[in-house]
Amino acid sequence: DAGITQSPRHKVTETGTPVTLRCHQTENHRYMYWYRQDPGHGLRLIHYSYGVKDTDKGEVSDGYSVSRSKTEDFLLTLESATSSQTSVYFCAISDPRRVETQYFGPGTRLLVL
Amino acid sequence: KQEVTQIPAALSVPEGENLVLNCSFTDSAIYNLQWFRQDPGKGLTSLLLIQSSQREQTSGRLNASLDKSSGRSTLYIAASQPGDSATYLCAVRQETSGSRLTFGEGTQLTVNP
Repeated sequence: DAGITQSPRHKVTETGTPVTLRCHQTENHRYMYWYRQDPGHGLRLIHYSYGVKDTDKGEVSDGYSVSRSKTEDFLLTLESATSSQTSVYFCAISDPRRVETQYFGPGTRLLVL
Repeated sequence: KQEVTQIPAALSVPEGENLVLNCSFTDSAIYNLQWFRQDPGKGLTSLLLIQSSQREQTSGRLNASLDKSSGRSTLYIAASQPGDSATYLCAVRQETSGSRLTFGEGTQLTVNP
């Protein structure tokens, strides 16, 4: 298995509070991604990074921000959580110079009350 | 905008049966197509990746085909086993989207002993 960890694995929070999810990799892959998975929508890309300090928006980026100050860490922040952000969040990594596929982390289950 | 559809949404078969999962996409300008497996509460695991220039890929009891011009891919599972029970997702990478993937919602497969 690719060395990808996500923390926390489960979180319950209240509407309006800030939340930060962390993705950590030990594979030295250049690209990192944040997805959310919801019934009826499948996986949708939130933000991605193609290098340290280089990030871009995905298809559902509103309400989310990201940061990548080191190759191994990619942070996803919900500035002010809303109930619509209740979801399962997956981090993925890839390095097109080496392999084509993306490797996924175990996911973080977030409930916003 | 690329749209990926998977049919059926759920499938239940007896052990030993051969089965086919379907994936269709609306924009044929793809770079590659991947099939992933997701077990309950887990992340995604890549099964097969087909480049746009290829017609099929095989791994063990799995065979994936691609008809780029018609926007279709199939995943064939031979001699199904209870351990094959999972959700299967297909994802396409566009020629112009860098490494980003667009996912279908998946087919939930149950193989009954």
